[in-house]
Amino acid sequence: DAGVIQSPRHEVTEMGQEVTLRCKPISGHDYLFWYRQTMMRGLELLIYFNNNVPIDDSGMPEDRFSAKMPNASFSTLKIQPSEPRDSAVYFCASSGGTGDDYKNQPQHFGDGTRLSIL
Amino acid sequence: AQTVTQSQPEMSVQEAETVTLSCTYDTSESDYYLFWYKQPPSRQMILVIRQEAYKQQNATENRFSVNFQKAAKSFSLKISDSQLGDAAMYFCAYRSFLNAGKSTFGDGTTLTVKP
Repeated sequence: DAGVIQSPRHEVTEMGQEVTLRCKPISGHDYLFWYRQTMMRGLELLIYFNNNVPIDDSGMPEDRFSAKMPNASFSTLKIQPSEPRDSAVYFCASSGGTGDDYKNQPQHFGDGTRLSIL
Repeated sequence: AQTVTQSQPEMSVQEAETVTLSCTYDTSESDYYLFWYKQPPSRQMILVIRQEAYKQQNATENRFSVNFQKAAKSFSLKISDSQLGDAAMYFCAYRSFLNAGKSTFGDGTTLTVKP
């Protein structure tokens, strides 16, 4: 099992540019989560999907952020336009199981993308 | 909404000693799940241990064990025989039984292991 794969691992870009973060969940997992981690705010859930459908996006900071999951093996988090305050580590995680078993399954995290907006 | 509190921003322990990290949470639900994750400097979040609220027996995983006090809404992590590789940030997380897609994380405790 390759685990959750995120790309890029590091991204440095200038304010105003569009940023796209990518995630490949673990095969068979039907939940996918996007988190943002900063020193000030800790680990924040931005959005999560179930079976490719966005379930809760209440954590998405503002309209500049959008997330898609076009199929079970791929998701993107896009920031347009980016701002310096978006600098953070962004994690993707997935989890899954059958029936009610999924509820006690841990989330498997990717290595994160460290985003720096200059 | 559920909240998770880790009151110890930093902890340190001598190698081979035992350390306990505290976690408390606030919820009105009776069924839920609790997790401890470890985040080493490599950044990846790794599951350490999990506990189902309906189970009275405390979960254990090798050197890691929890003290789950449901009435007190407390979920502490005990690390026995601490090793240098245990140095990391540790996060406590709560997952609702009813809204199992969503987990709430504490702010983390940074653990230093002294040789």
